[in-house]
Amino acid sequence: KQEVTQIPAALSVPEGENLVLNCSFTDSAIYNLQWFRQDPGKGLTSLLLIQSSQREQTSGRLNASLDKSSGRSTLYIAASQPGDSATYLCAPESSNTGKLIFGQGTTLQVKP
Amino acid sequence: NAGVTQTPKFQVLKTGQSMTLQCAQDMNHEYMSWYRQDPGMGLRLIHYSVGAGITDQGEVPNGYNVSRSTTEDFPLRLLSAAPSQTSVYFCASSYGTGILGNEQFFGPGTRLTVL
Repeated sequence: KQEVTQIPAALSVPEGENLVLNCSFTDSAIYNLQWFRQDPGKGLTSLLLIQSSQREQTSGRLNASLDKSSGRSTLYIAASQPGDSATYLCAPESSNTGKLIFGQGTTLQVKP
Repeated sequence: NAGVTQTPKFQVLKTGQSMTLQCAQDMNHEYMSWYRQDPGMGLRLIHYSVGAGITDQGEVPNGYNVSRSTTEDFPLRLLSAAPSQTSVYFCASSYGTGILGNEQFFGPGTRLTVL
């Protein structure tokens, strides 16, 4: 059974810092991995999707990497801003079941 | 495009009552799913559908029914509400799943309290 762990659970940084969020998963049989952002009381917004054949994806200040064989993905946020404050969730899609399994998320606070 | 819409935004039920959570998407997506989000449990899949007329169970299907009569709509029915069903419910959709690497789009959620 796929298990997804996100470390750290919470993170507080001053504005302008570069930071890395970690996601690890136990089953490397995945089609892809998706990173989401969730603001308090809101739904999930897709940030990046990395297919299993890719090593990384970039969108603006965000860069996500994937090492499928070691069961790890990282989300790199450059020059963090207070507007980046949210919970970030990773979700690999199992190639056995076709379903997403979500981590518990990392709650990020960026202080002005 | 409105994307994925959910109604109602908030709902309070008494134990034993039934209700339907509505979900609609206007992106012509084949794959739709329902999740519940609980503190400490993350998001868990309730039911999903790979196309009109086809539904299947997810990780936590007990107490919930679904049907998919059209591509656009995927309602979730609570048959007899229980306090354990107090949660935030999210509907999601995508073109499909698998090797195409389809991005999932989520609705804004329905916050349900069962007393």
